[in-house]
Amino acid sequence: GAVVSQHPSRVICKSGTSVKIECRSLDFQATTMFWYRQFPKKSLMLMATSNEGSKATYEQGVEKDKFLINHASLTLSTLTVTSAHPEDSSFYICSAHGQETQYFGPGTRLLVL
Amino acid sequence: AQSVSQHNHHVILSEAASLELGCNYSYGGTVNLFWYVQYPGQHLQLLLKYFSGDPLVKGIKGFEAEFIKSKFSFNLRKPSVQWSDTAEYFCAVTPSGGYQKVTFGIGTKLQVIP
Repeated sequence: GAVVSQHPSRVICKSGTSVKIECRSLDFQATTMFWYRQFPKKSLMLMATSNEGSKATYEQGVEKDKFLINHASLTLSTLTVTSAHPEDSSFYICSAHGQETQYFGPGTRLLVL
Repeated sequence: AQSVSQHNHHVILSEAASLELGCNYSYGGTVNLFWYVQYPGQHLQLLLKYFSGDPLVKGIKGFEAEFIKSKFSFNLRKPSVQWSDTAEYFCAVTPSGGYQKVTFGIGTKLQVIP
């Protein structure tokens, strides 16, 4: 199956700093990637749809200035959490769209102190 | 907008028992349906998917799911579970065609007791 990687797998940062998370499709090109947030004991919450070469589409309630998404190539999308606060601590997961199926990355655990 | 409901949030079975996890969706048009599995400490993996054709689809590790259009259901089954099937299972739906966002169910945590 298609492989999607994320980096870093885990990050701890101080409140007020910014954190960048990378999502890569390793063996296929993805014009569309998705960013999710997974809360404990809850399902995946879609944050935004990342389209290569154009602006991301954000879901209602997700601050686009806080969660910056860049999809500069067909194999890479980045999510930057700007001025992170403790409430941003979560598990962030990306997926890449190929053949009408989403393939998921392993996730990034963010802890903001 | 589509929605997905999974009825069982936590299921405990003994090894060799049969499994059926319920999934119902709501959407007015044609859909693609998925089951994803997340093993402890691992990321989401595709278990099986249905786009069209035979409503009974077979996936990896002996899992299968049946699409019943009249019931808007896509239940996951396995005749005999193993301890290694302990994981969380997510049903998901997306409108057919194009790059459509996927809606996930809340997930069912399956615990298989040896």
